[in-house]
Amino acid sequence: GESVGLHLPTLSVQEGDNSIINCAYSNSASDYFIWYKQESGKGPQFIIDIRSNMDKRQGQRVTVLLNKTVKHLSLQIAATQPGDSAVYFCADFQYNFNKFYFGSGTKLNVKP
Amino acid sequence: DTEVTQTPKHLVMGMTNKKSLKCEQHMGHRAMYWYKQKAKKPPELMFVYSYEKLSINESVPSRFSPECPNSSLLNLHLHALQPEDSALYLCASSQRPAGGQGDTQYFGPGTRLTVL
Repeated sequence: GESVGLHLPTLSVQEGDNSIINCAYSNSASDYFIWYKQESGKGPQFIIDIRSNMDKRQGQRVTVLLNKTVKHLSLQIAATQPGDSAVYFCADFQYNFNKFYFGSGTKLNVKP
Repeated sequence: DTEVTQTPKHLVMGMTNKKSLKCEQHMGHRAMYWYKQKAKKPPELMFVYSYEKLSINESVPSRFSPECPNSSLLNLHLHALQPEDSALYLCASSQRPAGGQGDTQYFGPGTRLTVL
């Protein structure tokens, strides 16, 4: 069943600061994780992914960290910009259910 | 190119109407998905097609009827919907068929459906 949850429903950061969005999952069968960004009125946009054989992956201004011991996933955004304001969802693929489960989402507000 | 397109962008329908949502991708992806998203909630999986065959139906009411005419197209036929079916309907696709170790899903912009 659903296993992914987020610690904070809303996160406000100052422009230029780093943002950290957290996610907890409960199913040890989860082996693939994706972070999506969803702006108002749009579909979810792929940001970055990570498989369970890795603990860190970096993209452009974004880093995903995976801690399998405590079943925790985080998304770090460096030098947050106003365009980063959106709802961020983590999703984990549970191979025993053959589908992704989405977390409840964190709304990121970037203050100028 | 990771574009998934959906039409229409907005749809208003009565409870007795029949309408269809359309989704298209030209990335050669072999799996396509329908999700439903209510306001301020995460997407919820409805249907999965792999190699144009229905592989997952998440116990969706029969008033929603999916169809995959070919590997690039996915339709969702709507009939006798209820006001509580009002939501954003998202289509997604992934390169590999559903299953295995999971694959990145790319979403379209969605169809905003209002049932009166």
